[in-house]
Amino acid sequence: QSALTQPPSVSGSPGQSVTISCTGTSRDVGSYNRVSWYQQPPGTAPKLMIYEVSHRSSGVPDRFSGSKYGNTASLTISGLQAEDEADYYCSSYTSANTWVFGGGTKLTVL
Amino acid sequence: EVQLVESGGGLVQPGGSLRLSCAASTFIFSNHWMTWVRQAPGKGLEWVANIKEDGSDKYYVDSVRGRFTISRDNAKNSLYLQMRFLRVEDTAVYYCARGPRTFFAPFDYCGQGTLVTVSS
Repeated sequence: QSALTQPPSVSGSPGQSVTISCTGTSRDVGSYNRVSWYQQPPGTAPKLMIYEVSHRSSGVPDRFSGSKYGNTASLTISGLQAEDEADYYCSSYTSANTWVFGGGTKLTVL
Repeated sequence: EVQLVESGGGLVQPGGSLRLSCAASTFIFSNHWMTWVRQAPGKGLEWVANIKEDGSDKYYVDSVRGRFTISRDNAKNSLYLQMRFLRVEDTAVYYCARGPRTFFAPFDYCGQGTLVTVSS
């Protein structure tokens, strides 16, 4: 049950696009299309953004998109806005019938 | 809007016990898997445990298996986490979270969390 691997930080200017990667193994990301992404602004509870690799949760703008190739999933945010600044976490179902999160990525909007 | 309100957090000594509760409202509690997720101060999210709609299946992260017990009372719309043999590394905000019904994800909504501090 090792945590999924995410970059500690990414940054971009308003209007630009950024991509956050999430690398797992054949026991989690590589075997299931059950990857989710959560957004957590400072001091708040996490919010579901993407589920099952690429499906946006209700109310999430289409600037947010998800994908997966092999053992690596990705979250892309296009047209960056100041309000997107937050920590982002990926998660995946595992072969042990549990869930595992990534270590989190801090997005800074310059 | 989904309401999940955690309670029971506080300061406890290493080796001690604590029971967290979560009161759910505005949705049909018995129709959902339920989950506990935690976040150590300044750290990332960690999935802790989940329980099936009727309580018949339960799963735990390795680090708490044998020490923590998840349970639910559907008649009271409540979720619980009994924590025993607590360690300093269990210090975290514990979130109660609802499993989605129509898609796969650890949770679709969570509460505001309750802080558990394990320290002597």
